[in-house]
Amino acid sequence: EAQVTQNPRYLITVTGKKLTVTCSQNMNHEYMSWYRQDPGLGLRQIYYSMNVEVTDKGDVPEGYKVSRKEKRNFPLILESPSPNQTSLYFCASSPRPGQLAKNIQYFGAGTRLSVL
Amino acid sequence: RKEVEQDPGPFNVPEGATVAFNCTYSNSASQSFFWYRQDCRKEPKLLMSVYSSGNEDGRFTAQLNRASQYISLLIRDSKLSDSATYLCVVKANAGNNRKLIWGLGTSLAVNP
Repeated sequence: EAQVTQNPRYLITVTGKKLTVTCSQNMNHEYMSWYRQDPGLGLRQIYYSMNVEVTDKGDVPEGYKVSRKEKRNFPLILESPSPNQTSLYFCASSPRPGQLAKNIQYFGAGTRLSVL
Repeated sequence: RKEVEQDPGPFNVPEGATVAFNCTYSNSASQSFFWYRQDCRKEPKLLMSVYSSGNEDGRFTAQLNRASQYISLLIRDSKLSDSATYLCVVKANAGNNRKLIWGLGTSLAVNP
């Protein structure tokens, strides 16, 4: 089954304790992206990756890191989480340029993070 | 002005009703347009792309008006299962980034 898989789905942590949210897709998509969703602010892009070893900042990258060592994986790293990073996080992927569906994004089920 | 604006609702309609949502966008160079559906606390899922000529998928009809910079979604014969938040999404003309600009969503509740 084609899917985007995020783990963990729920996480409660404390300020300053490094954490990683994993994201994996099995659709051979080149483009991957991380979003956070907050009430009244909607979905905001954190980082994106056009392909392996190619990553770039989105609208709200502060406090986050990403890596893209393999095509299928795009982990989100919070080196020193703070309470303002409490949010619902989504990973998404989409096919390569030139494909008809290239602008359609497929989302993981989300990770609900609480930083105390 | 926000790049993508939607009426947040909520829209409360009875089963079988017809309901329409509008969404305006500010960037006249926007290229692609979508409606996504998001159920409570779940991931957004593509409902339909919006084409220049308008398109229909069953009970759902999407239209684009480039001159006035808005897109619309019409739902006919509403079902209880249509209750969700509908997100208007616009692809920004932003180079390599497949960046999508998301509206805040319109909440729909279909009541028995």
